[in-house]
Amino acid sequence: QVQLQESGPGLVKPSETLSLTCTVSGGSINSHYWSWIRQPPGKGLEWIGYLYYSGFTNYNPALRSRTTISAGTSMNRFSLKLSSVTAADTAVYYCARHKNNLDAFDIWGQGTMVTVSS
Amino acid sequence: EIVMTQSPATLSVSPGERATLSCRASQSVSSNLAWFQQKRGQAPRLLIYSASSRATGIPARFSGSGSGTEFSLTISSLQSEDFAVYYCQQYSNWPLTFGGGTKVVIK
Repeated sequence: QVQLQESGPGLVKPSETLSLTCTVSGGSINSHYWSWIRQPPGKGLEWIGYLYYSGFTNYNPALRSRTTISAGTSMNRFSLKLSSVTAADTAVYYCARHKNNLDAFDIWGQGTMVTVSS
Repeated sequence: EIVMTQSPATLSVSPGERATLSCRASQSVSSNLAWFQQKRGQAPRLLIYSASSRATGIPARFSGSGSGTEFSLTISSLQSEDFAVYYCQQYSNWPLTFGGGTKVVIK
């Protein structure tokens, strides 16, 4: 059974880079597409971008200039980097797997809260 | 960007009653639509994909319908564990977008 787990700092200073890792247990990223999604406190969901294991990526235009999603050196991890963060980037960040090709998200991590504050 | 609009924002329902949630897309997404349930402090859970297909392990009381721009999620007989926030999401066009959610509360 595939499970996802996000990890990374819970507090990031303004203007710095947010870095998170998603670890896939019970499987690898050598299949499926993998996305990052975030949810500000009390608000809705925003898709950030996806990765295919080959290295192909696609990002939300609203965040593209600041976002990098990449595969880890081991084939069961992928990461998110979001640069020049502000308080507006404070959110719960989720990693998720696309069910088939680029369709619905069928498996989600539990999420990790990241606060941007000095 | 395709804008997804959900209504109502809050739905008050008694246990055992039927609930119908709506989702409208600003342009056609064909059947490329999913529904998620999110409980407080938890990650979203996939309920429905391809507009009307139930995900693995989802009870038959959840059903989805629609295509193009108009979609609905029906919960035939609400159980206590169904009170949550529900989101629709399109995966027809980039960027992938979610509706603002419908909160189902106990009447």
